Amino acid sequence: GQSLEQPSEVTAVEGAIVQINCTYQTSGFYGLSWYQQHDGGAPTFLSYNALDGLEETGRFSSFLSRSDSYGYLLLQELQMKDSASYFCAVTSGGYQKVTFGTGTKLQVIP
Amino acid sequence: NAGVTQTPKFRVLKTGQSMTLLCAQDMNHEYMYWYRQDPGMGLRLIHYSVGEGTTAKGEVPDGYNVSRLKKQNFLLGLESAAPSQTSVYFCASSRSTGAGELFFGEGSRLTVL
Repeated sequence: GQSLEQPSEVTAVEGAIVQINCTYQTSGFYGLSWYQQHDGGAPTFLSYNALDGLEETGRFSSFLSRSDSYGYLLLQELQMKDSASYFCAVTSGGYQKVTFGTGTKLQVIP
Repeated sequence: NAGVTQTPKFRVLKTGQSMTLLCAQDMNHEYMYWYRQDPGMGLRLIHYSVGEGTTAKGEVPDGYNVSRLKKQNFLLGLESAAPSQTSVYFCASSRSTGAGELFFGEGSRLTVL
């Protein structure tokens, strides 16, 4: 089966940089995704890494190391609106099953 | 563009009752998924479908059934609801070449008494 581990909570200061790590165990790995979810809302897609390296989208970047089964989400210039839960998710198997981690609750403080 | 629409958004059931959650997407996506979300548990995959007429089990399929008779619709059924099925249910869809990008519905909050 699949398993993903990420920290349960992170607190960071507005304007700072925060990194949320994710380690995974799976077979038939395709790629690692990141999602943001505000309280009471639906998850929204942030990024996807299929190959090793860094992907940058605005203030958000995502990194993948397939050999280490490890990835991270980097949020720069933190804003109060970035306070949310962040989930890593693995796409695996022939039918591209998508399995989520338990999420990291990010609190941005002034 | 409606995207992914779930109905109903809220429902209260008594133990043993049955119900069906409907997910509809208008993006012509091949893949569709049903997840449940409980506090501290993240999103757990119940069932998913890679195309019309095909379904597969996820991490927590027991107590649920699904059907994908039309490409745009994915139904999640509870034959005999139990309090343990109290949860928020999310439907999602993606292209077959969607690079891990799922589009989610707004969620359906189900309470089983």
